[in-house]
Amino acid sequence: EAQVTQNPRYLITVTGKKLTVTCSQNMNHEYMSWYRQDPGLGLRQIYYSMNVEVTDKGDVPEGYKVSRKEKRNFPLILESPSPNQTSLYFCASSLQREGRNEQFFGPGTRLTVL
Amino acid sequence: AQSVAQPEDQVNVAEGNPLTVKCTYSVSGNPYLFWYVQYPNRGLQFLLKYITGDNLVKGSYGFEAEFNKSQTSFHLKKPSALVSDSALYFCDSNDYKLSFGAGTTVTVRA
Repeated sequence: EAQVTQNPRYLITVTGKKLTVTCSQNMNHEYMSWYRQDPGLGLRQIYYSMNVEVTDKGDVPEGYKVSRKEKRNFPLILESPSPNQTSLYFCASSLQREGRNEQFFGPGTRLTVL
Repeated sequence: AQSVAQPEDQVNVAEGNPLTVKCTYSVSGNPYLFWYVQYPNRGLQFLLKYITGDNLVKGSYGFEAEFNKSQTSFHLKKPSALVSDSALYFCDSNDYKLSFGAGTTVTVRA
């Protein structure tokens, strides 16, 4: 089944404790991205990757890191999480970002930073 | 670059009535436009897209959207809404540096 998977689905952590949220897709998509969703603010893009080893900042990259060492995986790293990073996070992928390709979204990761 | 706007934060309709969720776009070049739906506690799901050709696009769950170049709109429609259509709807264009907006919350009352 074609899908985007994220792990963990739920995470409660404390300020400053490094964490990684994994994202993996099995559709051989070139483009992957991370969004955070907050009430009233919609989905804001954190980082995106046009292909392996090619990443760039989205609208809200502060406090996050990403890597794209292989095509299928695009982990989101919070080196020192803070309470303002409490949010619902979505990973997405598409064949290519520009043009006619729709995005496939993961199920989301609900992160709480205490 | 392309961008979209959803002018309504909320849409409320009675079950069985027509449902319209509005989206307007600004574009340089040919627009590629998409609708996604987010059901409670779920990720976004693709509904339909306009690439080129027929202005009326049909998608999943009985939804359709009409591309109107003169009004620069891409409104999502369903002839007869169901309570299960209650969700958050997002219009999107494929600009790789674009975040989604807040979307439109649709509530269909029984």
